[in-house]
Amino acid sequence: NAGVTQTPKFQVLKTGQSMTLQCAQDMNHEYMSWYRQDPGMGLRLIHYSVGAGITDQGEVPNGYNVSRSTTEDFPLRLLSAAPSQTSVYFCASSYFMVGYGYTFGSGTRLTVV
Amino acid sequence: AQTVTQSQPEMSVQEAETVTLSCTYDTSESNYYLFWYKQPPSRQMILVIRQEAYKQQNATENRFSVNFQKAAKSFSLKISDSQLGDTAMYFCAFTQGAQKLVFGQGTRLTINP
Repeated sequence: NAGVTQTPKFQVLKTGQSMTLQCAQDMNHEYMSWYRQDPGMGLRLIHYSVGAGITDQGEVPNGYNVSRSTTEDFPLRLLSAAPSQTSVYFCASSYFMVGYGYTFGSGTRLTVV
Repeated sequence: AQTVTQSQPEMSVQEAETVTLSCTYDTSESNYYLFWYKQPPSRQMILVIRQEAYKQQNATENRFSVNFQKAAKSFSLKISDSQLGDTAMYFCAFTQGAQKLVFGQGTRLTINP
């Protein structure tokens, strides 16, 4: 029972590079989300999905892309990395609705130089 | 805008003491859920306690309890008999609609031996 698995745990990118942060859950959760955590700002929602084939933007979506082809996977793509995207990224999932509480992955620390 | 305010950026108490973390929020919704999450140095986000807004009874989980004042939009967390393992960042959050969690900026709590 792995829960929510995020890879990689650490990544350094050069400005302009692209990459995909992977997220997978094995709990058959319908809801999945990506958050970024910055000092003094808490966690802010980037994108979320309420089921396979359905995604929507959160509070800070610019520069990021998502897709949800299966219930299990919800990758986050950085199209052209910028230093402002240096952050810790969390993937989270929830059964049916967020009122049950999210299960979080262990996070990815991304540095863009 | 729907927001969460944690007015104490940092707190420090002695082991075995009781500590209360403050949280106020602003929402126009009548039905929602409130959460406290703990983030230890490992970076993992751990659900501490959950409160349903339509329930007047305050939630309790072992040494953790909340004081929920719906009219005042206040949701404080009390930690009794604090332990060294309680040292962490604590985030208050509430649900926005069925799909989103809105987080506060966090309170860094240190338990001293």
